[in-house]
Amino acid sequence: DADVTQTPRNRITKTGKRIMLECSQTKGHDRMYWYRQDPGLGLRLIYYSFDVKDINKGEISDGYSVSRQAQAKFSLSLESAIPNQTALYFCATSAGSSTIHPNEQFFGPGTRLTVL
Amino acid sequence: KNEVEQSPQNLTAQEGEFITINCSYSVGISALHWLQQHPGGGIVSLFMLSSGKKKHGRLIATINIQEKHSSLHITASHPRDSAVYICAVIGGTSYGKLTFGQGTILTVHP
Repeated sequence: DADVTQTPRNRITKTGKRIMLECSQTKGHDRMYWYRQDPGLGLRLIYYSFDVKDINKGEISDGYSVSRQAQAKFSLSLESAIPNQTALYFCATSAGSSTIHPNEQFFGPGTRLTVL
Repeated sequence: KNEVEQSPQNLTAQEGEFITINCSYSVGISALHWLQQHPGGGIVSLFMLSSGKKKHGRLIATINIQEKHSSLHITASHPRDSAVYICAVIGGTSYGKLTFGQGTILTVHP
């Protein structure tokens, strides 16, 4: 089984709808991240969480919100989806503690979101 | 100017060729991450480097902290190496957060 899973893998929705993307991990990592990827723009950080009680905005948080329900779960919500939020969304985790590379990130398979 | 620049942006090679992808960065870093993204979209961690050189199979990654430069080499390239290769850095003041390069699209022809 994959260490970092995302649901759904694909989603098509309409403008104005509320959407939730979910991320779960079995790696026991404290840190979790949400990114979006657009052609030609690379990966950009939306939100990140260093533990259950810690939520931080990334470089493109407007229009998004997150919830860290447990160490293993980190959800991304689009309260009112708009077409320019059409993108590939990735969740990632890192240990953030005493390992050889505490900041090495492990990515989920991605969610392809289309907003019509 | 982006903090992390990769070159080339696109690279085409014939099977068996030696391939080099470069990454230059303009900020102080604590580590550098090489990632691979296959056409299906999934992203895989290849290397995490703080200094020197690492090797895994046909992949070799090097970093020169003083010159703020890293290279990813692929020896004896194969069509299955076709993917996007992404360099990302962890800055000294952005603990745990990655700053990504734009990626290098590699196509290896049989």
